[in-house]
Amino acid sequence: DTGVSQDPRHKITKRGQNVTFRCDPISEHNRLYWYRQTLGQGPEFLTYFQNEAQLEKSRLLSDRFSAERPKGSFSTLEIQRTEQGDSAMYLCASSPGLNNSPLHFGNGTRLTVT
Amino acid sequence: DQQVKQNSPSLSVQEGRISILNCDYTNSMFDYFLWYKKYPAEGPTFLISISSIKDKNEDGRFTVFLNKSAKHLSLHIVPSQPGDSAVYFCAAPWRGAQKLVFGQGTRLTINP
Repeated sequence: DTGVSQDPRHKITKRGQNVTFRCDPISEHNRLYWYRQTLGQGPEFLTYFQNEAQLEKSRLLSDRFSAERPKGSFSTLEIQRTEQGDSAMYLCASSPGLNNSPLHFGNGTRLTVT
Repeated sequence: DQQVKQNSPSLSVQEGRISILNCDYTNSMFDYFLWYKKYPAEGPTFLISISSIKDKNEDGRFTVFLNKSAKHLSLHIVPSQPGDSAVYFCAAPWRGAQKLVFGQGTRLTINP
């Protein structure tokens, strides 16, 4: 169990640029989640995948956000035309999908939009 | 609509004493609750959970209590240690997909 891996750990970008984050889940986990955390708040759900299928998207996920999980392994989260309000910690988590099994989180990607 | 609330942003406790972190929820459909612990620059890590069919679950120094009638749960840490200094989040799965709804977190500081 090597844990959930996220890359990069930090990203600084200028407003209007596109950014892409990568998440590698625990290998035997078929569920993968993306969360966003801002200062003083708990993580907020963005979207989740069961294998390669994206099953739910939060209304927080505007049209500028897109997530993929080709082949049901790693996932990418892309933000187009970034805005300062996108600055946050983006967390990826995975789980085996068993009832009430806890989510395992990565260390996140901190995005700063200047 | 904050379905899970942690009303204390911070808590300071002396080493060796008991730490009590509180969490309230509004959705009576929640039937399982989890506590996560988060150190700076790391992701949240799972600490302990409780099913709604129980009112207490214990794991070493950590005990979670659930009061369904009050829609309230609490995490007790005894004795508190310096390594317990972290942000603690309570969470509940929503709509059966393990989509967790988190509280705002409580920053616990253990003073030597």
